[in-house]
Amino acid sequence: DIQMTQSPSTLSVSVGDRVTITCRASQSVSTYLAWFQQKPGKAPRLLIFKASNLQNGVPSRFSGSGSGTEFTLTINSLQPDDLATYYCQQYNQNVYTFGQGTKLEIK
Amino acid sequence: QVQLEQSGAELKKPGASVKVSCKTSGYASSTYGVAWVRQAPGQGLEWMGWISAHNGKTNFAQKFQGRVTMTTDASTNTVYMEMRNLTSDDTGVYFCARAGEYYDDSGPGDFWGQGTPVTVSS
Repeated sequence: DIQMTQSPSTLSVSVGDRVTITCRASQSVSTYLAWFQQKPGKAPRLLIFKASNLQNGVPSRFSGSGSGTEFTLTINSLQPDDLATYYCQQYNQNVYTFGQGTKLEIK
Repeated sequence: QVQLEQSGAELKKPGASVKVSCKTSGYASSTYGVAWVRQAPGQGLEWMGWISAHNGKTNFAQKFQGRVTMTTDASTNTVYMEMRNLTSDDTGVYFCARAGEYYDDSGPGDFWGQGTPVTVSS
């Protein structure tokens, strides 16, 4: 299985910050990479698909980039509603593995 | 609007089976697949497998092969996930998500059910 490694695991942030989360794949996944946001007790929410495509309804402060084995999720001007855990997922090769998650906490 | 409505919480004993349902609405269900993802308490997300709502074709993560069955009922737009021989390690929340095209399991979940908590305890 392809291993997905996110960094950092936890990030202390302030409202208004520019936040960057990294996701690395153990082998190339091309651009078959998605990012999800999950809040406690809720289902994940798709933010980005195909590495850089914004899902309908997702605020434009979210953006994704990368290809191959290195990807980033950027949140510009962090809002209070963005405090959550973020996961990447590769869907290039079955099993469609997730990263371990990055939790955003208030500084 | 697209909705996936899952069945309620389950409490099972070790060795038992559980069957979780996921009723889809708001879209042509036969044109998409449904993936199942589980989340152990305090842990991350784990992709379990996928079923085509069109023809029932399935793909599973190897660790679930042989212990998990996924089926679909086109008459009610409902997908089912059954897991047998439960252990405490199977405790967690089970999500269904619309994912992939009817012929291809590759694709992120764009709409998700609310999750079904499953507790395995003696």
